[in-house]
Amino acid sequence: EAAVTQSPRNKVAVTGGKVTLSCNQTNNHNNMYWYRQDTGHGLRLIHYSYGAGSTEKGDIPDGYKASRPSQENFSLILELATPSQTSVYFCASGDGHNYAEQFFGPGTRLTVL
Amino acid sequence: QQKVQQSPESLIVPEGGMASLNCTSSDRNVDYFWWYRQHSGKSPKMLMSIFSNGEKEEGRFTVHLNKASLHTSLHIRDSQPSDSALYLCAAPTGYQNFYFGKGTSLTVIP
Repeated sequence: EAAVTQSPRNKVAVTGGKVTLSCNQTNNHNNMYWYRQDTGHGLRLIHYSYGAGSTEKGDIPDGYKASRPSQENFSLILELATPSQTSVYFCASGDGHNYAEQFFGPGTRLTVL
Repeated sequence: QQKVQQSPESLIVPEGGMASLNCTSSDRNVDYFWWYRQHSGKSPKMLMSIFSNGEKEEGRFTVHLNKASLHTSLHIRDSQPSDSALYLCAAPTGYQNFYFGKGTSLTVIP
């Protein structure tokens, strides 16, 4: 089965601090995604990538950067964290075909104080 | 603007009962859907997909698709307490991505 891992699983950050969320997949999938999930909003796409070296903006990219240094790794970076970025963040991977499902990691719960 | 609408927001059914969940896309380019299930505190996992008009059955789960109305529905018969979860509908955006709905929270009462 597809394997997507995230670290850290829980993070408490201070307002204005820098936060990096990491994601690793061992499925050799081309595509990787970062979502946030908030009550009342469902899953919202922040950034995604079609392969190493590529990053694309999703539906809510403001305040976030992404980095895809390799096929396996995809990071989400909050340069100046704000309390509004308190959320659960999910990473996912998919093989890039139009009918391909996405496999999700376990999630990272981020609290910005 | 939410491109995938799900209803109801929440649903309570007795054990052994039938649960019916609905999903509609506002994007006329959508012609297939995914259903994901997310148990509390866990990550979403793909439950079923449907790419053709009509019906698809897998065990206690049946999915319907009407491409003309951009509508899909998920029906769970003989519902079990373990079916209690958030059910997310997803539709493709055309760029190998999905729009997810806000979900239907299903509670099955023993």
